[in-house]
Amino acid sequence: KAGVTQTPRYLIKTRGQQVTLSCSPISGHRSVSWYQQTPGQGLQFLFEYFSETQRNKGNFPGRFSGRQFSNSRSEMNVSTLELGDSALYLCASSLNGQGNTGELFFGEGSRLTVL
Amino acid sequence: QKEVEQDPGPLSVPEGAIVSLNCTYSNSAFQYFMWYRQYSRKGPELLMYTYSSGNKEDGRFTAQVDKSSKYISLFIRDSQPSDSATYLCAMSDNNDMRFGAGTRLTVKP
Repeated sequence: KAGVTQTPRYLIKTRGQQVTLSCSPISGHRSVSWYQQTPGQGLQFLFEYFSETQRNKGNFPGRFSGRQFSNSRSEMNVSTLELGDSALYLCASSLNGQGNTGELFFGEGSRLTVL
Repeated sequence: QKEVEQDPGPLSVPEGAIVSLNCTYSNSAFQYFMWYRQYSRKGPELLMYTYSSGNKEDGRFTAQVDKSSKYISLFIRDSQPSDSATYLCAMSDNNDMRFGAGTRLTVKP
């Protein structure tokens, strides 16, 4: 069974630009959650999508957005990038949602550097 | 105060030592408690999962949950260099999931 795939793995952007990250969940999983990981803050929840609907949202500004397609693949977008957006962005898939059993399957992440 | 507090370490122990990792939390609604392990340049992977209070053992790993004290622990017996990783506690109230900041563990041969 293929795992969670995130692309791109690494990217460098400059302040003010925008970026789109992609996540393909495990086949059959309907929930995709996005997290931001930084050394100081740990794993911070961005949002969760379930069957193309945003089910939950963390405490991030509106510059962070996402969507989920009918095949469960998900994208997240960050507009007007700031230096503080430099982080590892992790996508996690689960069968029924992050709040149910707690078993999330993570991808290897997209490491974003903002210069 | 953060919802989930976890000492970030780093923690360095000799091979064979018993390791104790801990988290405290403030939300009494949490009822699912997890430990994830994250190797360098990898995503976290689920290590242990417990529901409500009590102990759970899996090989060299034991997870403990004390809901009355809002305190969870992960014990690693006979630690190995391959256990070197960041360990994240996580907890859920059936709707939201919250992670600790992670404790970086190094087991030296």
